[in-house]
Amino acid sequence: GIQVEQSPPDLILQEGANSTLRCNFSDSVNNLQWFHQNPWGQLINLFYIPSGTKQNGRLSATTVATERYSLLYISSSQTTDSGVYFCAVEPDMNRDDKIIFGKGTRLHILP
Amino acid sequence: IAGITQAPTSQILAAGRRMTLRCTQDMRHNAMYWYRQDLGLGLRLIHYSNTAGTTGKGEVPDGYSVSRANTDDFPLTLASAVPSQTSVYFCASSHRGSYGYTFGSGTRLTVV
Repeated sequence: GIQVEQSPPDLILQEGANSTLRCNFSDSVNNLQWFHQNPWGQLINLFYIPSGTKQNGRLSATTVATERYSLLYISSSQTTDSGVYFCAVEPDMNRDDKIIFGKGTRLHILP
Repeated sequence: IAGITQAPTSQILAAGRRMTLRCTQDMRHNAMYWYRQDLGLGLRLIHYSNTAGTTGKGEVPDGYSVSRANTDDFPLTLASAVPSQTSVYFCASSHRGSYGYTFGSGTRLTVV
């Protein structure tokens, strides 16, 4: 099956810093999503981005489907950005809308 | 209700007992899913349902069953709980071709 690799696995940054999280996938995908799991465990959908670039405030994401990767950018980090960021993909041959998660990047923003 | 509601929030369960985790959504999404999240293993799909009346097996279905009698509800049943089923369980829903998944707040289950 499709493999989803996220890097780095862990990231510690000072408040105000910028960061780039990467998601590589091994096969063609119909769509790709980025999620943030906050320290209380809640999973929030950040972007639904099968291709191209989207921005939402300090966060933006770019997916280059032909090269099988996606990037999540966080600018001017705040402590509330801490948590785990997951990339999830729907394989191209998947008829059931099932998505496969990467193992996540754990981000810790220091005040 | 706004979005997905899961119940209970947490539960401690004796091994061998039967347990049903509840999931209800009010967004009229056609597809629903159950995931378990374990440290170091990420989120793994247990069962899914593309539409009311149909269900399918995910990556880790053994020991679990689901039903989808209507659009809104997707309960997950552990027929005879074992300690390896200690985990955080998330229910999610989506509408095919729309804007991605919506997750519930999770159920933390401990089997002792």
